[in-house]
Amino acid sequence: QQQVKQSPQSLIVQKGGISIINCAYENTAFDYFPWYQQFPGKGPALLIAIRPDVSEKKEGRFTISFNKSAKQFSLHIMDSQPGDSATYFCAASYRRGGADGLTFGKGTHLIIQP
Amino acid sequence: DGGITQSPKYLFRKEGQNVTLSCEQNLNHDAMYWYRQDPGQGLRLIYYSQIVNDFQKGDIAEGYSVSREKKESFPLTVTSAQKNPTAFYLCASSIGKDRNTEAFFGQGTRLTVV
Repeated sequence: QQQVKQSPQSLIVQKGGISIINCAYENTAFDYFPWYQQFPGKGPALLIAIRPDVSEKKEGRFTISFNKSAKQFSLHIMDSQPGDSATYFCAASYRRGGADGLTFGKGTHLIIQP
Repeated sequence: DGGITQSPKYLFRKEGQNVTLSCEQNLNHDAMYWYRQDPGQGLRLIYYSQIVNDFQKGDIAEGYSVSREKKESFPLTVTSAQKNPTAFYLCASSIGKDRNTEAFFGQGTRLTVV
């Protein structure tokens, strides 16, 4: 059972445009929702994260929108740049057994065309 | 520089052979994790550990084993029981003392069965 569903699988956006990636979760025990950015051959790196007590969080060109009632959250990249081309993963976690492991979506391959 | 070091970067395994992937961190983190990444599948949790000499199975632990004899080290052994071991393996760590904190990833080990 996939607990975090991510869409789209791939996305092409023109430079300067807005990139939007969506995720939906099923487990209402999740209480931490990070987004990770991964470049080819590298490990993922935290981009931005949100907790369910807020509906939006913005850091520079990156914004997370969170809808608790719909169990959905999304990443918006404003003024998308070619350097943003990467794979993006949404994730969710809750405390389990004393250590919190992340459950990841399947990823979105984003290409920003110059 | 603080961080997580995985070695080797590339590893080739023959059928029926056990191999061990190294993961070392100097971030003084309590929690460590192993994830497996396959194309189009996101990251799936193999094992995690919050403290020395304690670890828990993740979602896909079959065919893998770990140890946590030191806080800094969390090696993963891919055994011959793992039927499809070819994948990109990622080690991560987090503070672990608070709920849901950032996970830092290593640069990964790509394992190929030959």
